[in-house]
Amino acid sequence: QKEVEQNSGPLSVPEGAIASLNCTYSDRGSQSFFWYRQYSGKSPELIMSIYSNGDKEDGRFTAQLNKASQYVSLLIRDSQPSDSATYLCAVNSGGSYIPTFGRGTSLIVHP
Amino acid sequence: NAGVTQTPKFQVLKTGQSMTLQCAQDMNHNSMYWYRQDPGMGLRLIYYSASEGTTDKGEVPNGYNVSRLNKREFSLRLESAAPSQTSVYFCASSETGHNEKLFFGSGTQLSVL
Repeated sequence: QKEVEQNSGPLSVPEGAIASLNCTYSDRGSQSFFWYRQYSGKSPELIMSIYSNGDKEDGRFTAQLNKASQYVSLLIRDSQPSDSATYLCAVNSGGSYIPTFGRGTSLIVHP
Repeated sequence: NAGVTQTPKFQVLKTGQSMTLQCAQDMNHNSMYWYRQDPGMGLRLIYYSASEGTTDKGEVPNGYNVSRLNKREFSLRLESAAPSQTSVYFCASSETGHNEKLFFGSGTQLSVL
């Protein structure tokens, strides 16, 4: 059973702070890693993808991947109240292109 | 661009009733998916279709059937609805199914009484 684990939160950070969201996965053969953002009552939308070890930056978002430790994280710099949402980690294993989703972490950015 | 369109947005059923959730995408994607999302459970895959003419079971297929009608459309059918099927259902698509991102529809909130 391929598992993707996330702390459900909520993670509460003040506006302007760095929010750090973490995800661990069980399948060492995993090759592709995604972060989706889901606002309450809405559908998920992709915000970051990462495929190799290290950091990938896109605006205020940085995805970090460490395959040896089997974790992937998402950093949100200068957090804004509009970043308040649930963040879903998704992992594709090497043997399947179907992503396995974590249960999501709720982020609250308070003014 | 419509992207992925799901209908209906809301539905209330009585136990034992049947219904079909419709999904269509206009991005010429090959792969399509049906997920359900329950509070605290994340997204769980019900069925998927790698390409037109093929369908496969996901993690939670019991009580559901699917039809890939053509490249654009992928429907999900509940033959005899049960209260355990109360959930939010999302259809999604991806270009080829090889490690690309998923595009999601707006979801269907289904209640089975």
